[in-house]
Amino acid sequence: EAQVTQNPRYLITVTGKKLTVTCSQNMNHEYMSWYRQDPGLGLRQIYYSMNVEVTDKGDVPEGYKVSRKEKRNFPLILESPSPNQTSLYFCASSTWGQADYGYTFGSGTRLTVV
Amino acid sequence: EDKVVQSPLSLVVHEGDTVTLNCSYEVTNFRSLLWYKQEKKAPTFLFMLTSSGIEKKSGRLSSILDKKELFSILNITATQTGDSAVYLCAVPYGQNFVFGPGTRLSVLP
Repeated sequence: EAQVTQNPRYLITVTGKKLTVTCSQNMNHEYMSWYRQDPGLGLRQIYYSMNVEVTDKGDVPEGYKVSRKEKRNFPLILESPSPNQTSLYFCASSTWGQADYGYTFGSGTRLTVV
Repeated sequence: EDKVVQSPLSLVVHEGDTVTLNCSYEVTNFRSLLWYKQEKKAPTFLFMLTSSGIEKKSGRLSSILDKKELFSILNITATQTGDSAVYLCAVPYGQNFVFGPGTRLSVLP
């Protein structure tokens, strides 16, 4: 089944403790992206990657890092999480040049930083 | 600044009602507009609209785009409790999307 897999689905952590949210897609998509979703603000892009070793900042990159060493994986790294990073996170992928046709989204990771 | 606005932000109806959700946008180099349905998990794709005046239809859902007035509507007829969700409107720019805040639809039995 074609899908984007995120882990974990739920995570509660403490301020300053480094964490990684994994994302993997099995559709051979070139393009991958991370979004956070907050009430009243919609989905906002954190980082995106157009292919292996090619990443760029989205609209809200502060406090996040990403890497794209393999085509299928695009982990999101929070080096020193803070409470304002409490949010619902989505990984998404699409075929390069076909983003207009929409993303395939992962199931989301609900992160709480206390 | 590119932006997408949706209205209403929240809507409560009873089963069988017809609803209209609105999405207006201000985006440079407009290419398309997408509608997603988000239940308690990931958004799922509903429609992509590129041309004015051409209705896209899927069962009880339909959508149309007005590129002159920069808006789209999503209609749901004979609503069911399973239609309860957040409906997101998104407009691509580059390889990103600008998402609206969503309309939360609650359909009561």
